[in-house]
Amino acid sequence: AQRVTQPEKLLSVFKGAPVELKCNYSYSGSPELFWYVQYSRQRLQLLLRHISRESIKGFTADLNKGETSFHLKKPFAQEEDSAMYYCALPNYGGSQGNLIFGKGTKLSVKP
Amino acid sequence: DTGVSQDPRHKITKRGQNVTFRCDPISEHNRLYWYRQTLGQGPEFLTYFQNEAQLEKSRLLSDRFSAERPKGSFSTLEIQRTEQGDSAMYLCASSRTNLAGFTYEQYFGPGTRLTVT
Repeated sequence: AQRVTQPEKLLSVFKGAPVELKCNYSYSGSPELFWYVQYSRQRLQLLLRHISRESIKGFTADLNKGETSFHLKKPFAQEEDSAMYYCALPNYGGSQGNLIFGKGTKLSVKP
Repeated sequence: DTGVSQDPRHKITKRGQNVTFRCDPISEHNRLYWYRQTLGQGPEFLTYFQNEAQLEKSRLLSDRFSAERPKGSFSTLEIQRTEQGDSAMYLCASSRTNLAGFTYEQYFGPGTRLTVT
């Protein structure tokens, strides 16, 4: 079965430090992957998707098929990056409508 | 259009009661999804619609749950005979697809928090 694993529940860094939020997936094909972010008291929103290859708010993510990973990175963390981050994968086993989410990683950026 | 809206934002009910939630998607979006999120978990898929057709239901959607999307616009999610285990945040999302089947990003609503006492 398809699965998304985010091994860290909480990641705490200081402002200006590099950040890497880990995401591993289980799927044998070429997946499209997403990172969603939820800031405090706000709704879930798309941060970036693999297919667009954009850098949003300084974040990037590279698909590594060999390691089945899609880690989210930012070279210099800002306090406003503090939020919950979710990695997601389309459900290729179903009608490809829904996303399968990881459990999320809470990023805390300290001043 | 300010995005996906959900009503109510909070619902407290007693075990055994029925509840109904409403979701209004972004107007030009043909797909509408329902997810459930419990503490410490990511959103878990319940069901989705393309226009008015319900295309998929997850095994999480027991026979006490029913969803509709009449006329392909807003959607309702009803839970009958609520149980304490139904307490969760219920999220609605919408997206559009093009003729080639490419699905654009899902936009989420603020959620309805259900507490069953």
